[in-house]
Formats: sequence, structure tokens, C-alpha cells
Amino acid sequence: GESVGLHLPTLSVQEGDNSIINCAYSNSASDYFIWYKQESGKGPQFIIDIRSNMDKRQGQRVTVLLNKTVKHLSLQIAATQPGDSAVYFCAENTGGFKTIFGAGTRLFVKA
Amino acid sequence: GAGVSQTPSNKVTEKGKYVELRCDPISGHTALYWYRQSLGQGPEFLIYFQGTGAADDSGLPNDRFFAVRPEGSVSTLKIQRTERGDSAVYLCASSGVRRGGLYNEQFFGPGTRLTVL
Repeated sequence: GESVGLHLPTLSVQEGDNSIINCAYSNSASDYFIWYKQESGKGPQFIIDIRSNMDKRQGQRVTVLLNKTVKHLSLQIAATQPGDSAVYFCAENTGGFKTIFGAGTRLFVKA
Repeated sequence: GAGVSQTPSNKVTEKGKYVELRCDPISGHTALYWYRQSLGQGPEFLIYFQGTGAADDSGLPNDRFFAVRPEGSVSTLKIQRTERGDSAVYLCASSGVRRGGLYNEQFFGPGTRLTVL
């Protein structure tokens, strides 16, 4: 399949380490934020979301942090595994159904 | 059950030709979305259907692009007089009824890679 994100910002981490992927969003009216994972040749896959009235939400091995003051979103992945290698996108939504994606970050996990 | 499927997986056409891209959403999902993804970028919203009607088509770049969902299930994205700049991966997603979660999670298909020569 086609490889997406050939010229994206890249984060390289050692297997077992924690990863932090950052994202700046633009619309202060956005009330939902979502992180997606996209592997080569596949569509984006939902990871975790957070509402604008929250500043932290945890899932399985993932945590999303939201700082509305500086319009910043981050995704933390604990104990990063080779299967986590992918392109990660943050996305924002204004409560309707139109979702705006950010540019993405490519995560490489070194074994 | 099956996920979102898209056909064809790859489409090569010549400049000026007409193309149709098909999306089969997850059964029972009422919402359907089309996105376009250029190399190195995130998906770009094109259009959203709720049932048979286009609830938001603000992302369609111009009147060469049109999408239909006549029976509220399968959708077709139609591109007339294709241009080289239309080359991209076209993604379809569907979502169902919100079940107390924060967001109507969108399930994406694998995309159709369109190449306009």
C-alpha cells in the first residue's frame, strides 16, 4: 500500500521507552480532540479522544493531555512497542461531524 | 462483521476523464464521510452524509466533485474532468449512534489511491 507521511516530522524511540507526540491545534472553539494512528496502506484508526472540559484522559498504554491555554495536545504512549510504529494524527472537532486533521508525526520504534 | 470497504483500491486515469470511487460503510452506520489525503498530509474533510442527505459538503474543492448516497448505505464519490492535482488517497469513514462516548468514532476504510496522469 501507499506509504503516507514521507516528509512528516519524525520521532524515533527505543522499544520499551515512553513516547510523547505533540500537536498544536488552531480553533479555540473545538470541543473534541482525537488521536488517530495510521499504518502504511491503511486508513486512520481511532486511539483516544478528549473533551475540551478535560485536561487528561487515559486509555490502555495511552494518555492524552490537553492544554487549552496554549492550544496544545499531546499523546503519551507507555512502553512503546514495534507495533506502535505508524503516523499519528491529532484531529479537532467542533461538536458536529466535521473533523479537521493535523499534519501528523511519524513514530519509529527501534527494537 | 466487516469494516468499511472501498473500491477500487487503486485507480489510474488520464487527465480529463471521469472517475467514480465507491464506499461500503459498516452495516447500520448512518453517518458517512469522505476525506482526501495527499502525501505527507493529514486527511482533508470533503463531505459528510447523515442517511441519504449530504449534511455538510463544505470540503468539496469545486463543482467537479460530487458524492451521492441514494439509499443511505453505499456512497459514490464522483470526480469529473480529473486533473493531476486530484491525485491522492480518497478515504471513506462511517460512524454509528453515539453510545455515551465522547465522540462518534469514525471507522475508516483503506482508501482508494487515485492517480491522474
